Amino acid sequence: KQEVTQIPAALSVPEGENLVLNCSFTDSAIYNLQWFRQDPGKGLTSLLLIQSSQREQTSGRLNASLDKSSGRSTLYIAASQPGDSATYLCAVPGGSSYKLIFGSGTRLLVRP
Amino acid sequence: DTAVSQTPKYLVTQMGNDKSIKCEQNLGHDTMYWYKQDSKKFLKIMFSYNNKELIINETVPNRFSPKSPDKAHLNLHINSLELGDSAVYFCASSQGRGLAGGRNEQFFGPGTRLTVL
Repeated sequence: KQEVTQIPAALSVPEGENLVLNCSFTDSAIYNLQWFRQDPGKGLTSLLLIQSSQREQTSGRLNASLDKSSGRSTLYIAASQPGDSATYLCAVPGGSSYKLIFGSGTRLLVRP
Repeated sequence: DTAVSQTPKYLVTQMGNDKSIKCEQNLGHDTMYWYKQDSKKFLKIMFSYNNKELIINETVPNRFSPKSPDKAHLNLHINSLELGDSAVYFCASSQGRGLAGGRNEQFFGPGTRLTVL
């Protein structure tokens, strides 16, 4: 049974810092991994989807990496800004199904 | 030009009532989902429909009944509401049901915060 874990649960950094959010999953037989952002009281915004055949995927200041064999993904945020403050969630399809299994999220606060 | 929309945004009701939440997507996607986010912010799949056909039905009380009149709409009806049903319910959609090529990339609505008193 697939389980997804995100560490740390919360992170507070000063503006301008580069930071890394971690996601690990127990079953490495995944097709892809999706990173989301959730603002308080809002829905989820898809940030990046990284395929199992890819090692990295970039969008602006965001870079997601995937190491299937070790069951890990990282989301790198360069030059963080207060507007990056949100909860970041990673999710993988559950086995051969496309229902997403979510981690519990990392709550990020970027201080001005 | 909202991609995935839900109504209502907030729903406050008494225990025992029946309520519905509506979801619509204008992305032309074939697959739609309902997720529940509990008080600890943990997101779990409830249902999924592909072209009006139920394809995922997790262990959810049968008081919850999804209905898909067409592939752009997936509504959630809840009978005999209980205190434990209080949560945020998210609708999502994806291009298809296949995993290859990222067809399962999911796009979420803004959520419906249900409070049962």
